[in-house]
Amino acid sequence: GAVVSQHPSWVICKSGTSVKIECRSLDFQATTMFWYRQFPKQSLMLMATSNEGSKATYEQGVEKDKFLINHASLTLSTLTVTSAHPEDSSFYICSAELQGGPYSGNTIYFGEGSWLTVV
Amino acid sequence: AQTVTQSQPEMSVQEAETVTLSCTYDTSENNYYLFWYKQPPSRQMILVIRQEAYKQQNATENRFSVNFQKAAKSFSLKISDSQLGDTAMYFCAFMKNRGGADGLTFGKGTHLIIQP
Repeated sequence: GAVVSQHPSWVICKSGTSVKIECRSLDFQATTMFWYRQFPKQSLMLMATSNEGSKATYEQGVEKDKFLINHASLTLSTLTVTSAHPEDSSFYICSAELQGGPYSGNTIYFGEGSWLTVV
Repeated sequence: AQTVTQSQPEMSVQEAETVTLSCTYDTSENNYYLFWYKQPPSRQMILVIRQEAYKQQNATENRFSVNFQKAAKSFSLKISDSQLGDTAMYFCAFMKNRGGADGLTFGKGTHLIIQP
């Protein structure tokens, strides 16, 4: 299947600092990538849709200035958590849309996820 | 807006048994995709099976198959000959077919435990 790589897997940062998480589609081009947040023992919550070459579309309730998303190329999207606070600690996971491939139409593949701990 | 409901928070079966996970959804869309993802303790989301709404034939992938009832908006996952490695969270997900304009809407998940 298609491979999506996310880095770093684990990151600890101090409160007030910024941290960047990268999401790469390794063997396909993805015009659309998605960023999710998952709290312990809960489902995935869509944060934003990242479109190559244009501004991200954020879900209601997600702060655009806090969670900066950049999709500068067809294989890379980044999520920057700015001025991080302990309540931003969570599991962040990205996904990329593959059009075609082993299935007709669209399929979504996920990265490995990133654990963010803000201390 | 779409909603996805998984009514079984947790299920437990013996190894080699067959288990069915339920999922219902609500949408006004006619063209969409449905997915089942597996999330083991590593938290990696693994695509198990995918169904296109316009296809009447139920999708199958080895030991995994679905029962897709479009009129009833039901999309259950059947795991045959269950194995210990099947232990994981299973999420049902919905996606509109709009050329990638939307992400996935997930259910709350079912924690499946395969007992030896």
